[in-house]
Amino acid sequence: GENVEQHPSTLSVQEGDSAVIKCTYSDSASNYFPWYKQELGKRPQLIIDIRSNVGEKKDQRIAVTLNKTAKHFSLHITETQPEDSAVYFCAASDDSGGYQKVTFGTGTKLQVIP
Amino acid sequence: EADIYQTPRYLVIGTGKKITLECSQTMGHDKMYWYQQDPGMELHLIHYSYGVNSTEKGDLSSESTVSRIRTEHFPLTLESARPSHTSQYLCASSRGQGGRETQYFGPGTRLLVL
Repeated sequence: GENVEQHPSTLSVQEGDSAVIKCTYSDSASNYFPWYKQELGKRPQLIIDIRSNVGEKKDQRIAVTLNKTAKHFSLHITETQPEDSAVYFCAASDDSGGYQKVTFGTGTKLQVIP
Repeated sequence: EADIYQTPRYLVIGTGKKITLECSQTMGHDKMYWYQQDPGMELHLIHYSYGVNSTEKGDLSSESTVSRIRTEHFPLTLESARPSHTSQYLCASSRGQGGRETQYFGPGTRLLVL
């Protein structure tokens, strides 16, 4: 089955700096890679996703890159703000078989220091 | 408003008791999931369902059972609660038609077993 590794487990940055979270996956059939943000005491929510036919996707201060050859993808947050402080989860899934299961990474706790 | 609902939100119970955590969604989704998560930590998939009368065990053996008699309802039952079951339980759903597989999470049930 799919295995998703996520690094780092914790990340502290100064407000205004950039933050990068990296994930690797094992199943070359995976073709959909969402990122979820979970604020303290809240439910995880999708913030951005990327499909395997795209190498990069951007939404304001958030971007995700995908390297299918190396089987890794990354989340980039620029100009970090205190409200970016949360736990971020990457995930990978394969929908080619019709019934796909999403495999989550272990999470990165991001702290943005004002 | 389309959403995922979980009850109870908080539960304190004694060892050996049988409990059922309720999850309902008005999203019209086929797939539903149960995750166990210690606060801010990794999401562990314990059960999932592709649709009515479909249930599958996830990666974590949790000594729990689920049922899916109605599309919108996916209850989780612990036959005999133990202190090791103390955790947060998150229910989620997704469209289940392949392609983009965004999962939408409920607010969670925090369980404390004494």
